Amino acid sequence: QVQLQESGPGLVKPSGTLSLTCAVSGGSISSTNWWSWVRQPPGKGLEWIGEIYHSGSTNYNPSLKSRVTISLDESKNQFFLKLSSVTAADTAVYYCASGAWYKWDYWGQGTLVTVSS
Amino acid sequence: QSALTQPPSASGSPGQSVTISCTGTSSDVGVYNYVSWYQQHPGKGPKLIIYDVSKRPSGVPDRFSGSKSGNTASLTVSGLQAEDEADYYCSSYAGGNSYVFGTGTKVTVL
Repeated sequence: QVQLQESGPGLVKPSGTLSLTCAVSGGSISSTNWWSWVRQPPGKGLEWIGEIYHSGSTNYNPSLKSRVTISLDESKNQFFLKLSSVTAADTAVYYCASGAWYKWDYWGQGTLVTVSS
Repeated sequence: QSALTQPPSASGSPGQSVTISCTGTSSDVGVYNYVSWYQQHPGKGPKLIIYDVSKRPSGVPDRFSGSKSGNTASLTVSGLQAEDEADYYCSSYAGGNSYVFGTGTKVTVL
């Protein structure tokens, strides 16, 4: 059973860069799954941010593409999210998730990131 | 790429059924059979309950079922139980290697 755990700073300053790590256990990041980031602003719905395959291939939400970078480290079984030029609108619970064939089977518990000075 | 439209809330008494709609467009729900549904309890991460419109992952009760007609997908929860009270989100592949979620529906068990 794959388990995912997000980590990173809970507070980021406006115009700064949000950086998060997702640690994968119970499975290999080199498997056939895609590794994704999804966010949820307080009291609001889910938004897909993007995904990465172990080959390094990435896909991003067109609305965030200019600010997002997703990468991975196979040796550490981790993948990462960087979101630049953040504003208060980027305040959200950020989830890492994984799955194959157009669905997400595994989800982390989420981590709240607040953008504030 | 707009969010799929779901009703904000739905409710039913224990043992009853509730159906949640998820309306998209001919660019997402209407053209791809890659609609999935997620259940989210407060403070928890989402849980996959339906994928490929109507398939259930192992361990998900058969009280949960999915369907699709045109640009609208639906999730039905039969035999409502107290633990079904949660937020439900649909998602669809939207082409171009991108995905879109629904606006979410809060299900209340009366």
